[in-house]
Amino acid sequence: DAGITQSPRHKVTETGTPVTLRCHQTENHRYMYWYRQDPGHGLRLIHYSYGVKDTDKGEVSDGYSVSRSKTEDFLLTLESATSSQTSVYFCAISESGGRTETQYFGPGTRLLVL
Amino acid sequence: GENVEQHPSTLSVQEGDSAVIKCTYSDSASNYFPWYKQELGKGPQLIIDIRSNVGEKKDQRIAVTLNKTAKHFSLHITETQPEDSAVYFCAASILISNDMRFGAGTRLTVKP
Repeated sequence: DAGITQSPRHKVTETGTPVTLRCHQTENHRYMYWYRQDPGHGLRLIHYSYGVKDTDKGEVSDGYSVSRSKTEDFLLTLESATSSQTSVYFCAISESGGRTETQYFGPGTRLLVL
Repeated sequence: GENVEQHPSTLSVQEGDSAVIKCTYSDSASNYFPWYKQELGKGPQLIIDIRSNVGEKKDQRIAVTLNKTAKHFSLHITETQPEDSAVYFCAASILISNDMRFGAGTRLTVKP
């Protein structure tokens, strides 16, 4: 998985609780992305980062925040989890970003919000 | 908004047969089209990609074709094997948002 790890790999939480997912890369790539994967929707971009402390919103950013304090780590936070955020979350990286750069994906985190 | 449509959603073939998955896109400025394979419990893995300056690209049993005029591109897998069974995703780059849009996926089953 291109030097990408995600933690935790599985999580069960209750509605209203905060949740933080971590993505760690060893490739020193500049761009990092968070996607969610749901049946019938493929992969949808939540947020992405183009450098330390530089982030921007994706297609489905409502209810999510991100932070990147180091090149290798990108955190996704659900401030108050809802059942609609039950999903599989994937982190991806690309060397120089942009729409024509290949993205490499991590193994995913399966999140269940009860 | 920009959209990528993928068909079929499920595909079942006999081992040794060919499989074709098709995608259409709406952004005429799209110029990068990757294909990913996702096995159960794993993240998507890039298997082949094509850029708009070529119409076809092959890598062993896998090929991708691109028709920019019609705004569609296809994945072709020949001599399918049971280990080709997986979910396949297409994607297309989007100019206005500087990112990619993914198709909904095709679940390919290769029967031995």
